[in-house]
Amino acid sequence: GAVVSQHPSWVICKSGTSVKIECRSLDFQATTMFWYRQFPKQSLMLMATSNEGSKATYEQGVEKDKFLINHASLTLSTLTVTSAHPEDSSFYICSARRLAENTGELFFGEGSRLTVL
Amino acid sequence: GDSVTQMEGPVTLSEEAFLTINCTYTATGYPSLFWYVQYPGEGLQLLLKATKADDKGSNKGFEATYRKETTSFHLEKGSVQVSDSAVYFCALGSRGQNFVFGPGTRLSVLP
Repeated sequence: GAVVSQHPSWVICKSGTSVKIECRSLDFQATTMFWYRQFPKQSLMLMATSNEGSKATYEQGVEKDKFLINHASLTLSTLTVTSAHPEDSSFYICSARRLAENTGELFFGEGSRLTVL
Repeated sequence: GDSVTQMEGPVTLSEEAFLTINCTYTATGYPSLFWYVQYPGEGLQLLLKATKADDKGSNKGFEATYRKETTSFHLEKGSVQVSDSAVYFCALGSRGQNFVFGPGTRLSVLP
């Protein structure tokens, strides 16, 4: 099956520092990756769509300069939370769409829990 | 635009009870339909899917049938276990379009 891996699975950082989260498709090529944020007991909120080799498309209300997304290859997308503050603490989940996938199915990473002190 | 509606719960059941989580959708075109499950502290896992009308997806005792006439994809399981306690997300997607999630339904199964 298709596997998507996120790293780190949890991170604690001080306010003002930047944190990078990686999302890798381990056994398939992903033309498109998606980044979500999930608050406690809520659904997933799409932050941005990341396409390999081009700029990410951000959802309304998501700060591009705060959440930097890079999709440098067909198997890796990164989310960098810049100058993190406590309100950025959340569970971040990535997903990937397989290159030849016709059904629209997405494959999800395990999630990364960010805590900003 | 496309949308997914599902009962938000929480749903609390006793072990071995019958489970139904309703899901309805609105969509242009012919999307695929999915149920994902999220266990505490984890990401989402695909539970089952159906790619066209009248298809039935099944996995781990869960079933859902793609009903185009009622635009529904209700999730059912005949006998739930404590280990089924999780949040269940109904979703639709199609190639080249954004994925749409329902709000999620929290299920708690008591021993």
